[in-house]
Amino acid sequence: QITLKESGPTLVKPTQTLTLTCTFSGFSLSTSGVGVGWIRQPPGKALEWLALIYWDDDKRYSPSLKSRLTITKDTSKNQVVLTMTNMDPVDTATYYCAHAWLLPFDYWGQGTLVTVSS
Amino acid sequence: EIVLTQSPGTLSLSPGERATLSCRASQSVSSSYLAWYQQKPGQAPRLLIYGASSRATGIPDRFSGSGSGTDFTLTISRLEPEDFAVYYCQQYGSSSWTFGQGTKVEIK
Repeated sequence: QITLKESGPTLVKPTQTLTLTCTFSGFSLSTSGVGVGWIRQPPGKALEWLALIYWDDDKRYSPSLKSRLTITKDTSKNQVVLTMTNMDPVDTATYYCAHAWLLPFDYWGQGTLVTVSS
Repeated sequence: EIVLTQSPGTLSLSPGERATLSCRASQSVSSSYLAWYQQKPGQAPRLLIYGASSRATGIPDRFSGSGSGTDFTLTISRLEPEDFAVYYCQQYGSSSWTFGQGTKVEIK
């Protein structure tokens, strides 16, 4: 059974760096073809793809946010970490992590709401 | 970056009716790497269709996907009460994945 869960601060101040952790079970990020991605959704708005990391440490980023994002993995801990620098109120959103293997995002975490406010 | 444009923004239909949702890409989607998701309020999205036309595990056969290149369609043959939700398309054929802006299917 594959599960993913996002964790991190619920409130960050403008200009701060956000660090989110995705802790997963039921699969290994060392298995060929497996990836874990991050997606966000501002309140009442559409999904936005942020980043993706594969089993071989290949990393992909949204071009519009690439300068602010870093995605890393810790295979031994079954975790993927996303950092986003220089947070702004427009970055207020629910942040999801999701599993991909031979398919697009087939398993999702429950999401975590991050509010950016002073 | 491939931009996906979904239409219509909102679809007002009654249970039992057929729903046809469109997703148009700004450039050809490689190998039909186009997916559809359903999202209900307060829930994470659920994968419905991948590879433009393959149903994900457990998805009822009233959901079907079609299309290739730049034009894709999600069809719900007969709407059930639980199908009223927001639907997103996503392309995963390029190095940068993208989502469409969504189509809301609401009860008329």
